[in-house]
Amino acid sequence: AQSVTQLDSQVPVFEEAPVELRCNYSSSVSVYLFWYVQYPNQGLQLLLKYLSGSTLVKGINGFEAEFNKSQTSFHLRKPSVHISDTAEYFCAVSDRSGGGADGLTFGKGTHLIIQP
Amino acid sequence: KAGVTQTPRYLIKTRGQQVTLSCSPISGHRSVSWYQQTPGQGLQFLFEYFSETQRNKGNFPGRFSGRQFSNSRSEMNVSTLELGDSALYLCASSLEGVSTDTQYFGPGTRLTVL
Repeated sequence: AQSVTQLDSQVPVFEEAPVELRCNYSSSVSVYLFWYVQYPNQGLQLLLKYLSGSTLVKGINGFEAEFNKSQTSFHLRKPSVHISDTAEYFCAVSDRSGGGADGLTFGKGTHLIIQP
Repeated sequence: KAGVTQTPRYLIKTRGQQVTLSCSPISGHRSVSWYQQTPGQGLQFLFEYFSETQRNKGNFPGRFSGRQFSNSRSEMNVSTLELGDSALYLCASSLEGVSTDTQYFGPGTRLTVL
């Protein structure tokens, strides 16, 4: 089984400032890693995913994340945020070997609040 | 390409009743997964259907069931509703499955149990 911890439930940031949303995971097996975003009254949308290869992954809307195996982390970053980035962000993992037996395991989410 | 659609968007039921939620995946997607989202527990995996067969199941009681039709549309049923079943129910579709594929989520059905 896996678990995902998003260390901050809420992150306020001024517009055009950089942001980092933290994600740590725990798993007895290798995992794939994902970041999803949920805008108000909408479903989740994939920002980026790490399956293999380069540990720095670039996604949509200027977001990127870095996989750190030794620290079991997958932090999400953006160099300059906009008002439109206000949303709930979810880190998730899936089991590499289990064929998705546990589905996606999500963290509790981080609410990103952009202040003008 | 049309996205994932879920009907109805909102439902109000009373304890003890049963409810059926519907999900229409993106055309060509064969995998449909269901998730329950609550403020306390967050997003939890219910089950995944692939080619009309339940392939994976989360840790939920047997009151939660589902099925998938030959056109990949899926339904989720909850019997003997409890207050704790109040939640946003999200479905997600993908080409082949949960493990590596991008999951495309619908807007959800918000279920309120009174």
